[in-house]
Amino acid sequence: DTAVSQTPKYLVTQMGNDKSIKCEQNLGHDTMYWYKQDSKKFLKIMFSYNNKELIINETVPNRFSPKSPDKAHLNLHINSLELGDSAVYFCASSRGREVFTEAFFGQGTRLTVV
Amino acid sequence: AQSVAQPEDQVNVAEGNPLTVKCTYSVSGNPYLFWYVQYPNRGLQFLLKYITGDNLVKGSYGFEAEFNKSQTSFHLKKPSALVSDSALYFCAVRASPGDTGRRALTFGSGTRLQVQP
Repeated sequence: DTAVSQTPKYLVTQMGNDKSIKCEQNLGHDTMYWYKQDSKKFLKIMFSYNNKELIINETVPNRFSPKSPDKAHLNLHINSLELGDSAVYFCASSRGREVFTEAFFGQGTRLTVV
Repeated sequence: AQSVAQPEDQVNVAEGNPLTVKCTYSVSGNPYLFWYVQYPNRGLQFLLKYITGDNLVKGSYGFEAEFNKSQTSFHLKKPSALVSDSALYFCAVRASPGDTGRRALTFGSGTRLQVQP
C-alpha cells in the first residue's frame, strides 16, 4: 500500500522519443508535485497541481507537460527527449495548500536518455 | 525569493558521536523549515519540520533540529550517530502564506552524512 507510487522506476530511451511517467497517491492529498533531481542530487520543483489546477509552473521547457486527470494522479509527459533530460524525477503530494504540511515523495523514476 | 544553503557537501562522523548537519535559509516572512533524508535509490523521507513555537524540534529516528531566527539557521542534530544514519540529507523551506505563489518546497543542495563504524 505505497503512499506515492511512480511508474516506471527506470526508463531508458533514445533522444527524440516521447515518454510518460505516471504518479498516483492514495493519501487523499489535494496537492501534487513533480521534482527533478539532477546528477549532482540537486532537487528542483517543476510543477504543482492542487485539485487538478496548475498552481506552480517553473521555468521548464514546453516539451514537459503535466496532466492531472484527478487529484490522486499527476502524470508527466515529455516530448522530444534530450540528453539533458536525464535525471531522477520525483513525484510528491501534500495535504491542501498549507505551506506548513510536509510532502510525501515517491521512489523516483530514473530517466536515461541515450 | 526563498533559498536554502547547506554549506557542507559531506559530513563524516564516528558511530556514537554527535552529529550536526548545517542549514541556513533566506525567505521573506516566516519560514516553514523541513529536513528530509534520502537513502540510496530511494525517495525522500520526511524527518521533521519547524512551523512555530519551541525552537528545538524533535523528529524521526532520534533526529532533532534547532531553529535560530537571528542566525537564519535550522541545523539538524543527533546526539549519537548510527552507521545506518549514513544517507543524503536535505534541508528545505517553504515561504509563509504572505509570500504568494510559492507553495513548493525549495531544497538545499544536500549533505551526505557518512557514519564510520
